[in-house]
Amino acid sequence: QKEVEQDPGPLSVPEGAIVSLNCTYSNSAFQYFMWYRQYSRKGPELLMYTYSSGNKEDGRFTAQVDKSSKYISLFIRDSQPSDSATYLCAMKEGGSYIPTFGRGTSLIVHP
Amino acid sequence: DTGVSQNPRHKITKRGQNVTFRCDPISEHNRLYWYRQTLGQGPEFLTYFQNEAQLEKSRLLSDRFSAERPKGSFSTLEIQRTEQGDSAMYLCASSLWTGGNEQFFGPGTRLTVL
Repeated sequence: QKEVEQDPGPLSVPEGAIVSLNCTYSNSAFQYFMWYRQYSRKGPELLMYTYSSGNKEDGRFTAQVDKSSKYISLFIRDSQPSDSATYLCAMKEGGSYIPTFGRGTSLIVHP
Repeated sequence: DTGVSQNPRHKITKRGQNVTFRCDPISEHNRLYWYRQTLGQGPEFLTYFQNEAQLEKSRLLSDRFSAERPKGSFSTLEIQRTEQGDSAMYLCASSLWTGGNEQFFGPGTRLTVL
């Protein structure tokens, strides 16, 4: 079992839908949680960065961390075709500089 | 552009040849990281530098791989005697040493070994 599990998809939704992307993890020492967006043949772009449990909102994006369940989510409201990309979750322990990535979920938002 | 830059963007080489990639981090960032990403997978850590010191190397970084950051600014990653299994996207990221250590990635160098 990998430390970070993420369904590769693809997840296909109509424009305007609310999207829910999720990761589970096994390492209870993870304290920092990140979501990256990666367009095809590009480098990952940092979207959200949260510490410990709770919610964080930035525009159409909301990141949620539930450490008791070892489960993190990224919600995208009013999804747009330009949101079509692979979304990578990443997480790291408090004393570490190196995140562990999930394999990414491919999202397709069709007009 | 003040982001992380990588060169070349694409490299095609024959098995057994040596290749070198360059990464220029965000100017005020003193930490620099190298990752490898294969199709359908997330980035896998290779090595990282704080200033010019290489502080950690993954077991993925075989003896054929070497990385340098001679003046604490740009970094190079060299792969000697390339193998077909080295074909991947090589990503560079940089961060500050303070705060949450958010890492910002470059566009990557896509290596194809024939």
